[in-house]
Amino acid sequence: KQEVTQIPAALSVPEGENLVLNCSFTDSAIYNLQWFRQDPGKGLTSLLLIQSSQREQTSGRLNASLDKSSGRSTLYIAASQPGDSATYLCAVNNAGNMLTFGGGTRLMVKP
Amino acid sequence: KAGVTQTPRYLIKTRGQQVTLSCSPISGHRSVSWYQQTPGQGLQFLFEYFSETQRNKGNFPGRFSGRQFSNSRSEMNVSTLELGDSALYLCASSLTTGTSGNTIYFGEGSWLTVV
Repeated sequence: KQEVTQIPAALSVPEGENLVLNCSFTDSAIYNLQWFRQDPGKGLTSLLLIQSSQREQTSGRLNASLDKSSGRSTLYIAASQPGDSATYLCAVNNAGNMLTFGGGTRLMVKP
Repeated sequence: KAGVTQTPRYLIKTRGQQVTLSCSPISGHRSVSWYQQTPGQGLQFLFEYFSETQRNKGNFPGRFSGRQFSNSRSEMNVSTLELGDSALYLCASSLTTGTSGNTIYFGEGSWLTVV
């Protein structure tokens, strides 16, 4: 059974810092890994999708990497802004579109 | 183009009642999945439908059911509601299923409170 863990559970940083969020998973037989953002009381916004054959994906200030063999992914956020404050979730797709989610990292970026 | 649309956004039900939630996927998307989000259990997969067929099912009791129509719209039903069913129910859609390049998009969710 796939298990996904995110560390840290919460993170508070001053504006402008670069930061790394971590995600680990137990079963490396994945289709892909997706990072999402969730604002309080809202749905999930897709940030980046990394296919199983890829090592990284970039979108603006976000960069996500995938090391399937070690069961790890990182989300790098450059030059953080207060608007980046949200919960970040990683999700692994093992079969069909059945995602297994980590518990999330709650990020607070202070002005 | 329009995103994933879920209705209703908020509802309050009494224990023992049943509820039906609706989801309209992004135009052209044929896969619809449902998830339950609670503070204690996080996000958990309920089921996935593709071309009107249930493809995968999570570990939930039979009180939770769903269906998909020919236009890809989907509904999920929870019968005999329990207090523990109070949660945010999220619908997700994607073009297809079972491929590595398949991005999944979520709606804003339906907040269900059982009293």
